[in-house]
Amino acid sequence: DAGVIQSPRHEVTEMGQEVTLRCKPISGHNSLFWYRQTMMRGLELLIYFNNNVPIDDSGMPEDRFSAKMPNASFSTLKIQPSEPRDSAVYFCASDGEVSGNTIYFGEGSWLTVV
Amino acid sequence: KQEVTQIPAALSVPEGENLVLNCSFTDSAIYNLQWFRQDPGKGLTSLLLIQSSQREQTSGRLNASLDKSSGRSTLYIAASQPGDSATYLCAPYTSGSRLTFGEGTQLTVNP
Repeated sequence: DAGVIQSPRHEVTEMGQEVTLRCKPISGHNSLFWYRQTMMRGLELLIYFNNNVPIDDSGMPEDRFSAKMPNASFSTLKIQPSEPRDSAVYFCASDGEVSGNTIYFGEGSWLTVV
Repeated sequence: KQEVTQIPAALSVPEGENLVLNCSFTDSAIYNLQWFRQDPGKGLTSLLLIQSSQREQTSGRLNASLDKSSGRSTLYIAASQPGDSATYLCAPYTSGSRLTFGEGTQLTVNP
């Protein structure tokens, strides 16, 4: 398997624009996680899905953030409208019994909002 | 809410030294604990996963121990190499918080 695949790897956008981050989890994994990493706050869990259903979105900072998982092989994290304080690295991760519940991370999407 | 503390925040050692990274967590009701490595500009790579019923796990030069009751884990790196330079993160896994990450220990191994 190619691992967790995220796109785009890097994005620079202007304040107010919509940002969509994409993730393809490892095949066979039934849990998917979106994390945000900043220097100030470290790694924070935004939301996680189990079997495509959102289980806990308490980490989603504001209504400007939304996440979907329409099927087992795809998820999106959307920010609308984006603000400079959203600049961070956004990681997608997945795990499942097939990997012994070891969580695997994607390479991250590096977002800069100017 | 799970809180994770890693000590030291940064560590610089000469090549060949054995070293210990420390992790403490407040909620001992964990399913497992993972140690990760993060290289600059990269994602996280899982190094070791210790189940709550286990005391330690070993992979090559790495050994992780877990004392669940006291809320502590250590990562031991033997015979450190410059390629070990990275940030090491500890993450206990609980049913409520899922994975909670510490701030990490930034390790530099000097040739």
